[in-house]
Formats: sequence, structure tokens, C-alpha cells
Amino acid sequence: GQSLEQPSEVTAVEGAIVQINCTYQTSGFYGLSWYQQHDGGAPTFLSYNALDGLEETGRFSSFLSRSDSYGYLLLQELQMKDSASYFCAVGYQAGTALIFGKGTTLSVSS
Amino acid sequence: DAGITQSPRHKVTETGTPVTLRCHQTENHRYMYWYRQDPGHGLRLIHYSYGVKDTDKGEVSDGYSVSRSKTEDFLLTLESATSSQTSVYFCAISSVSADTQYFGPGTRLTVL
Repeated sequence: GQSLEQPSEVTAVEGAIVQINCTYQTSGFYGLSWYQQHDGGAPTFLSYNALDGLEETGRFSSFLSRSDSYGYLLLQELQMKDSASYFCAVGYQAGTALIFGKGTTLSVSS
Repeated sequence: DAGITQSPRHKVTETGTPVTLRCHQTENHRYMYWYRQDPGHGLRLIHYSYGVKDTDKGEVSDGYSVSRSKTEDFLLTLESATSSQTSVYFCAISSVSADTQYFGPGTRLTVL
């Protein structure tokens, strides 16, 4: 079966860097995705890693190590608006569906 | 933003009544998904569709059925609602594979 583990909560201050880890177990690997969800809102896509290494998109980066079944989301120059829940997800059913982790709540304080 | 809407946005119903939630997209995307989100559980996949009339079960499909008769519409039906189905329901779409999904605004369903 598929399962994902990520920390339930992370706190940081404005301007800091924070890393949210995700470890997964899956039968067949179809990529690791990250989504952001603000309170009361819908999840929005942040990034996707199919191959090992770092993908950078502005202040956000995502890393994948397939040999370690591990990835992380790195948020730099944190802003108050980054306070949200962050979900990692892995593909299954030959990549036609996603299984989501339970989410990490990031609280950014001034 | 991807053109994806859900209706209704809020619904209160009683145990034992049938409920249908609608997801509508204007993007002509192949894949459509229904999730439920509950505190402490994250997003859990209920059913998904990979084409018109092509659907499959997700992690938590018991008590739910779906239909997709047109590319743009994906319906989720609770045949006989129970209090355990009180949740926020999200629809999502994707074009090529599951990795990049766009979510609708959600439907908050309360079953009394």
C-alpha cells in the first residue's frame, strides 16, 4: 500500500528558512507533489518531482531522493502569508491518482 | 485559475437522505477526482474518473458512488447520507496525469 509521513506542525519567524520533510512508502513510484492550503481555502499545486534532485520555483524549492523514499519542501524568506498547511502526495494507480499525506501546518510569526 | 466549480457550496441534510454534489470544469481535462477532507486525516480520495464513463475507487469509496456522462461534469452521490459523511468535499482536475491537480472551492456538507 501507500503511506506518507510528514510532521504535523512547524513554526518559524518571518524571514527564516523552513524545511518540511516527507517520507513515503509506495508500490511503484510516480512522483512526489506538494500542495499548499490556506485556512478555509482549496489546495493549490506548488511543485512536482519525478527525478532526484532539487526543483526551484521562486522562494520555494522541492527535493527528492528516490533511493531514500524521501523528499522535502524548502521555503525561504518566509512571509506571514506562507502560514498554511502543506501536503505532500505520491502518485499511485499507475500515476492516475494521488495519495496525500496528512499535512503540515506552518505558522509564521513576526 | 483552472475553471472548476462545485455546487452546492454548502449543504445541510438529514441522515438517510440522498445527496448529490456536482463538479463542473471548463478546461476539458481528462481526469477528475473527488476528495473528502477531515481534521487529522488530510485529503482522502473517494473516487476518480479517467474519462467519460470511466471511473475507479479511491481510498474511502464505501457509501459513495460517482458518474461522469460528460467530460465537464463529475457527480458524487451519497445514496443514504450518514453523520460520518459530514466533511468538506473537494473536486480536482488534471490533464495528463495525477501529479498536477487543480482543486475546486469545496463543498461543506453537514449530515444531521
